[in-house]
Amino acid sequence: QKEVEQNSGPLSVPEGAIASLNCTYSDRGSQSFFWYRQYSGKSPELIMFIYSNGDKEDGRFTAQLNKASQYVSLLIRDSQPSDSATYLCAVGSYIPTFGRGTSLIVHP
Amino acid sequence: DGGITQSPKYLFRKEGQNVTLSCEQNLNHDAMYWYRQDPGQGLRLIYYSQIVNDFQKGDIAEGYSVSREKKESFPLTVTSAQKNPTAFYLCASSIGASGGPYNEQFFGPGTRLTVL
Repeated sequence: QKEVEQNSGPLSVPEGAIASLNCTYSDRGSQSFFWYRQYSGKSPELIMFIYSNGDKEDGRFTAQLNKASQYVSLLIRDSQPSDSATYLCAVGSYIPTFGRGTSLIVHP
Repeated sequence: DGGITQSPKYLFRKEGQNVTLSCEQNLNHDAMYWYRQDPGQGLRLIYYSQIVNDFQKGDIAEGYSVSREKKESFPLTVTSAQKNPTAFYLCASSIGASGGPYNEQFFGPGTRLTVL
């Protein structure tokens, strides 16, 4: 059984701070790693994907992958109240496995 | 505009009835997927299809059925055999096998099904 673990939160950060969201996975052979943002009552929206060890930056978002530790993270710099949402980690190639998500609250 | 559409947005069903949820995509994607999401839960895979006229069971296929007669369409039927069907249903698509293992999924807006 492939497992993807996330802390359910909520993670609460002040506006302008860095939010750090973490995800661990069980399948060592995984090649693809995705972060989705899901606002309450809405469908998930892909915000980042990463395939190689190291960091990948896109605007205020940075995805970090460490395959040896089976760990992927998402950093959100200069957090805004509009970033308040649930962030889903998905791991795997053709049929990804989703974590339960971490709720992020950015307060003014 | 390319994208995935799902209808209806809200659906109410009486116990014992079958209902069909629509999913259409114009992204020219080969692969399509159905997920179920319950409050506070992640996404659970119901069925997926990598190519027309072929589909596979996911982790929670019991009480559901699908068809894939056209590349663009992947309807899901929730049958009366599904014991607890009230949930948020999400359809997704991706390039498919031709994209290799780097196969981002894109989601439709979802259908919220309530059994009365």
